[in-house]
Amino acid sequence: GAGVSQTPSNKVTEKGKYVELRCDPISGHTALYWYRQSLGQGPEFLIYFQGTGAADDSGLPNDRFFAVRPEGSVSTLKIQRTERGDSAVYLCASSPGPSYEQYFGPGTRLTVT
Amino acid sequence: QKEVEQNSGPLSVPEGAIASLNCTYSDRVSQSFFWYRQYSGKSPELIMSIYSNGDKEDGRFTAQLNKASQYVSLLIRDSQPSDSATYLCAVNGADRGSTLGRLYFGRGTQLTVWP
Repeated sequence: GAGVSQTPSNKVTEKGKYVELRCDPISGHTALYWYRQSLGQGPEFLIYFQGTGAADDSGLPNDRFFAVRPEGSVSTLKIQRTERGDSAVYLCASSPGPSYEQYFGPGTRLTVT
Repeated sequence: QKEVEQNSGPLSVPEGAIASLNCTYSDRVSQSFFWYRQYSGKSPELIMSIYSNGDKEDGRFTAQLNKASQYVSLLIRDSQPSDSATYLCAVNGADRGSTLGRLYFGRGTQLTVWP
């Protein structure tokens, strides 16, 4: 079956601009996670949704970052007033529920110039 | 805050050898452990999960868990050049049924298998 999909695959934006990153999880997976990964590091947790609600958003670095999952399927990560330090690969993962195996999408490479 | 430590490597082994990758974690309540493989420029791919003490085998891969020592390892038998990648150890602090789903990752160990 289809895996996790993410769009766009690459995004280049100027400092100060707003960006939206989209994630479409595996069908039937109720849990959805956002991570970001910098070069040479492991993925760093941002936010976790169980259904439509954010069950854990403690990884969001500041209030410029926000994510939604209005219908319990597709999720959008929104970044306002982007900074060069936001440049990273943003990864989305889904799982049948918490504590189960998480499957990652291909990621969105965000570059802030 | 959970800490997950891995030897960053690089680890280099000849084709056909056993590659041994190690990981330690700081939180004794951690219950779920995962190994991901990440090729350069790609996203992490789940290759093993382990929840109970002991060994779990899947093809050429064996995961070993020792909760008393807070240690998890991955053995790759008959290593192939196609196994060359970064291997990420991940830990989840939640029991099954809990709402805490986040994973804590190590920095990864880069493995090179040379022909």
